Amino acid sequence: GENVEQHPSTLSVQEGDSAVIKCTYSDSASNYFPWYKQELGKRPQLIIDIRSNVGEKKDQRIAVTLNKTAKHFSLHITETQPEDSAVYFCAASIRAGNMLTFGGGTRLMVKP
Amino acid sequence: DTEVTQTPKHLVMGMTNKKSLKCEQHMGHRAMYWYKQKAKKPPELMFVYSYEKLSINESVPSRFSPECPNSSLLNLHLHALQPEDSALYLCASSPFRDSTYEQYFGPGTRLTVT
Repeated sequence: GENVEQHPSTLSVQEGDSAVIKCTYSDSASNYFPWYKQELGKRPQLIIDIRSNVGEKKDQRIAVTLNKTAKHFSLHITETQPEDSAVYFCAASIRAGNMLTFGGGTRLMVKP
Repeated sequence: DTEVTQTPKHLVMGMTNKKSLKCEQHMGHRAMYWYKQKAKKPPELMFVYSYEKLSINESVPSRFSPECPNSSLLNLHLHALQPEDSALYLCASSPFRDSTYEQYFGPGTRLTVT
């Protein structure tokens, strides 16, 4: 089955700096890669996703890149703000079955 | 309605109790999911319903029994649970059509088994 590894497990940045979270996946058939943000006590919230026919996608301060050959994808957050502090999960999915396999999560702390 | 809702928000039950968790969505999504999330861990898939039929059961113990009465509603029946089953139970839904399969999560039910 699919295995998703996520690094780092914790990340502390100064407000205004950039943050990068990286994930690798094992199954070359995976073709959908979402990122979720989960604040303490809240639901996971889909913040951005990318499909395997696209190399990069951007939405305001958030961008995701995908390298299919190397089987890794990354989340980039620019101009970080204290409200970006949360746990971020990457995930991978093969269309058939629509199952998401999650990475272990990254706790991002943005210091004001 | 663009949200997945779950009730109750919190549930405390004894090991001999029977209780049910409820999930509802009115977005016309045709896939619904149950996940279990322990503290500081990612969500762990339990069940998938596609077009109201159980399509995936991730080897979940029989003390958890899912039910999908209609396309908008998903239940999780609980019986004879163990303390280690205490967790946040998340429901999610997905359009599951036209290559769109984003999953949207409900707020979860925090379950404590005593």
